[in-house]
Amino acid sequence: ETGVTQTPRHLVMGMTNKKSLKCEQHLGHNAMYWYKQSAKKPLELMFVYSLEERVENNSVPSRFSPECPNSSHLFLHLHTLQPEDSALYLCASSPSKEGGEKLFFGSGTQLSVL
Amino acid sequence: DAKTTQPTSMDCAEGRAANLPCNHSTISGNEYVYWYRQIHSQGPQYIIHGLKNNETNEMASLIITEDRKSSTLILPHATLRDTAVYYCIVRVWWGNRDDKIIFGKGTRLHILP
Repeated sequence: ETGVTQTPRHLVMGMTNKKSLKCEQHLGHNAMYWYKQSAKKPLELMFVYSLEERVENNSVPSRFSPECPNSSHLFLHLHTLQPEDSALYLCASSPSKEGGEKLFFGSGTQLSVL
Repeated sequence: DAKTTQPTSMDCAEGRAANLPCNHSTISGNEYVYWYRQIHSQGPQYIIHGLKNNETNEMASLIITEDRKSSTLILPHATLRDTAVYYCIVRVWWGNRDDKIIFGKGTRLHILP
């Protein structure tokens, strides 16, 4: 148990659906991250939030929309996804964005887009 | 791109020490070496980190060469549960908002019964 909880664990959606991924951390951390991991590829950093402010957006398509209402919760809203968006989506947190403290990851949401 | 180079895969017999190498020849003086591992279908898990001295914790030991251009993660008595992808990462301890934590492809370690 890492203290970072992601729901749902698995998600199947059609290309016209709208869904949201949720991440919650109980560690008192100030930075939260979304990563994407496609099959046989390295983790790709998507978004970074520091103190609820988005500080990094790595050229992610607009069909992915993050939301960080407070430092404990992070959402990834999905709409009109493509089959190539099927991947493991991982949330992580750390005490700060700038510091070298370790990242704590959730177990991820395995997303399949049909 | 990742600043580290690791072998794609390695095998190790159960009960033996697993030694995972990492090359980071362009490491800067203020960059630390971190190791994470990812068991299948789970999120990465922090293992250990160090700057220049060797480090040991309950999970592993980290040996960093004197010139800091390479390091080795040692799992002293590997078990089947240590089968995972191991990532070696370098980053500064206190950077700025532009610093990125970049995961490369890592080493896929197979522990053989």
